[in-house]
Amino acid sequence: GDSVTQMEGPVTLSEEAFLTINCTYTATGYPSLFWYVQYPGEGLQLLLKATKADDKGSNKGFEATYRKETTSFHLEKGSVQVSDSAVYFCALSDSNYQLIWGAGTKLIIKP
Amino acid sequence: NAGVTQTPKFQVLKTGQSMTLQCAQDMNHEYMSWYRQDPGMGLRLIHYSVGAGITDQGEVPNGYNVSRSTTEDFPLRLLSAAPSQTSVYFCASSYGAALRNSPLHFGNGTRLTVT
Repeated sequence: GDSVTQMEGPVTLSEEAFLTINCTYTATGYPSLFWYVQYPGEGLQLLLKATKADDKGSNKGFEATYRKETTSFHLEKGSVQVSDSAVYFCALSDSNYQLIWGAGTKLIIKP
Repeated sequence: NAGVTQTPKFQVLKTGQSMTLQCAQDMNHEYMSWYRQDPGMGLRLIHYSVGAGITDQGEVPNGYNVSRSTTEDFPLRLLSAAPSQTSVYFCASSYGAALRNSPLHFGNGTRLTVT
């Protein structure tokens, strides 16, 4: 079945560092791909998405490109801030009604 | 703008007790769902609904019941709580059931401990 694999955390960076959180997937069809973010004490919220190969999703300085050839959707940001500290989830949707989720990656940004 | 509201925020139950987790949304969303979040396991779908009067099972439905009598409300019932149900529970809704096109909106969660 479909699955999503994320790099294990926590990932600890200094402010203004470059961020990459890896996400790879397996799917039988042509899924849409998502990054959701969960700030402390809150529910998840959509950060960005891409619906087809080579699409780039972007929001709040974060970017991710849908790479079909490597089945990847890595999250990147050029200069992280303390306020980016959160748990990041990669997910895919290959059909209606359900998302398939990665395990989440906790990001800690130190001032 | 309330969005998705979950109550309670915290709950402690003894094994064998029953309870209902409440979820309400004010966005007129067609789709609603319940997830549980456990460390290192991401989110797992318990039950979902694509409209009033329609519910279906997700990945981990055993031990839970749901109903959808109105568009706004989607309560989750634990019939006889077990320690394995200790988790954080999230309710999420979406404008449409085609989740590849319609993002999920989450509540802030209910942290449940079963002793």
